[in-house]
Amino acid sequence: QVQLVESGGGVVQPGRSLRVSCAASGISFNTFGMNWVRQAPGKGLEWVAGISYDENNKGYADSVKGRFTISRDNSENTVYLQMNSLRADDTAVYFCTKDLGPGGAFDIWGQGTTVNVSS
Amino acid sequence: QSALTQPASLSGSPGQSITISCTGTSSDVGSYNLVSWYQQHPGKAPKLLIYEDSKRPSGVSNRFSGSKSGNTASLTISGLQAEDESDFYCCSYAGSRTYVFGTGTKVTVL
Repeated sequence: QVQLVESGGGVVQPGRSLRVSCAASGISFNTFGMNWVRQAPGKGLEWVAGISYDENNKGYADSVKGRFTISRDNSENTVYLQMNSLRADDTAVYFCTKDLGPGGAFDIWGQGTTVNVSS
Repeated sequence: QSALTQPASLSGSPGQSITISCTGTSSDVGSYNLVSWYQQHPGKAPKLLIYEDSKRPSGVSNRFSGSKSGNTASLTISGLQAEDESDFYCCSYAGSRTYVFGTGTKVTVL
């Protein structure tokens, strides 16, 4: 069974750093791109970052560029999001998603991990 | 990277059809055949309904259909059912391995 499980969320002060993780199971992890999508409380979905299967291509939303870094460890079937210089407006549920393929869609989603940036 | 524009809310009676629009630009929706649609119930993760503008993943009801013309994509829900009451989001590839979501549409079944 295909499953994505996020972890690492929590409460963090503005300006501090946090790393969230997403462990995949039931898929050939090293053949698919992965992404992070977030949803602020009561708001819509926002794509945050994506990484190709081989880490050679990465993309970031303008709102996080220069502060967030996406990476992956194919030997551990895990994708990471390193978040630095956190701001209050980064408060959200962070979902990990798997690329359907080259089709530009996200077919598998984790349950999300909550990041709360607050002093 | 401006969000794609969707109507904030739509409603319909059971059995009716409704269409949700998703308007982008020539840099995203209009440039690639890579619009996808997602359904999200409260407190749940989104679910993929449509990919590559109009393709349905296996297991998704054929009551959901997608189309696109120029910079505007559309999702049609036919035979509206009570369980369709949820939020719907479009998403488009925007080049350089980036994506942009729509503003979201809340669908109410009367």
